[in-house]
Amino acid sequence: TQLLEQSPQFLSIQEGENLTVYCNSSSVFSSLQWYRQEPGEGPVLLVTVVTGGEVKKLKRLTFQFGDARKDSSLHITAAQPGDTGLYLCAGDPGSSYKLIFGSGTRLLVRP
Amino acid sequence: EPEVTQTPSHQVTQMGQEVILRCVPISNHLYFYWYRQILGQKVEFLVSFYNNEISEKSEIFDDQFSVERPDGSNFTLKIRSTKLEDSAMYFCASRETGTGVWTEAFFGQGTRLTVV
Repeated sequence: TQLLEQSPQFLSIQEGENLTVYCNSSSVFSSLQWYRQEPGEGPVLLVTVVTGGEVKKLKRLTFQFGDARKDSSLHITAAQPGDTGLYLCAGDPGSSYKLIFGSGTRLLVRP
Repeated sequence: EPEVTQTPSHQVTQMGQEVILRCVPISNHLYFYWYRQILGQKVEFLVSFYNNEISEKSEIFDDQFSVERPDGSNFTLKIRSTKLEDSAMYFCASRETGTGVWTEAFFGQGTRLTVV
């Protein structure tokens, strides 16, 4: 069974600080997605990484896919209260039709 | 912008009753999914559907669950006899393709099912 482990589970930081969220697996994924989910809503895609070693930037968010395509990270620079939310990584095994989700990281950015 | 729509947004049902959750996927998408998220837990895959049949299902998707695409636009999830532990947010998702070439999965806003 393929699993995605996210860490940390919870993160409470002050506005302006930097943070990194990790998504790790012992399995290879053909692609990995990062979603953000607001309470009572569905996950909304932030980015997809496909190539091992790939780095993508979305304003203050930097996403990286590990060389072996087993892990990924999300780095937020100068966090703002608007970044508060649940961040989910999800992997596409490539041999299956489903996305496998990590357990999520709940981020709170305090003003 | 095209979106996946789900109805109802919230459903309360008595234990043992049947419920049908409805989804309208994006029109040119070919692959459809149901996921669920129990409060405070991770999003879990239930079932994928392509070409009018189930492509894959998880251990959660037992005989109490069924899916259907009755009219070419709706995609439904039926739970025959609900249990308390079926209480969760249920998300529908659709994609243009399934495997091989990655495409984004679009998620609906979810249906909150409460079994009492």
